[in-house]
Amino acid sequence: AQKITQTQPGMFVQEKEAVTLDCTYDTSDPSYGLFWYKQPSSGEMIFLIYQGSYDQQNATEGRYSLNFQKARKSANLVISASQLGDSAMYFCAMREDYGGSQGNLIFGKGTKLSVKP
Amino acid sequence: GAVVSQHPSRVICKSGTSVKIECRSLDFQATTMFWYRQFPKQSLMLMATSNEGSKATYEQGVEKDKFLINHASLTLSTLTVTSAHPEDSSFYICSAGDTETQYFGPGTRLLVL
Repeated sequence: AQKITQTQPGMFVQEKEAVTLDCTYDTSDPSYGLFWYKQPSSGEMIFLIYQGSYDQQNATEGRYSLNFQKARKSANLVISASQLGDSAMYFCAMREDYGGSQGNLIFGKGTKLSVKP
Repeated sequence: GAVVSQHPSRVICKSGTSVKIECRSLDFQATTMFWYRQFPKQSLMLMATSNEGSKATYEQGVEKDKFLINHASLTLSTLTVTSAHPEDSSFYICSAGDTETQYFGPGTRLLVL
């Protein structure tokens, strides 16, 4: 079973509008972390936002916010006021803190976001 | 934020040669670093966990004799692809960090002819 599921292979959004990228996860660990990364065509992985499983509030970083719904095991990324430079691949990832994990990240398949002018 | 560097950024080599990729944490110490591989249009897949001063831990299906990892200091891990073949052509990327953030290097594009 996939641990991280991103159901949207590709998304389009109009410049200046908000967009939500979906991510669901599967873990039995009580402690875990959820991450979102942006990967432009250059290949670098740019850290966007982090949410800990025990965090009470949704994480926010500038135009990025993470809609964390623990009971539903979802961690959607919301990008507000989209910019042309937001066009890239976006990966959701999880770090499990138990079960023999060494702290590595498990990645979803990614969503390709295209921002239209 | 913390910075992880990776060298070289791009390498083209002949089949059968070995290629060494370096991953450095520039402004923090990393007892653990991770090596991932990403094939075109796919996600990142963990290859191995590099532990300073001890043997690396490899994921199932990753040949430890082919992908040699050395973590000789708290700021440097190296991945050597031995006797590279065209199927090893991929994007190799390392990461290091803490529980709340994993910083990635810029990646190395390997093309084996």
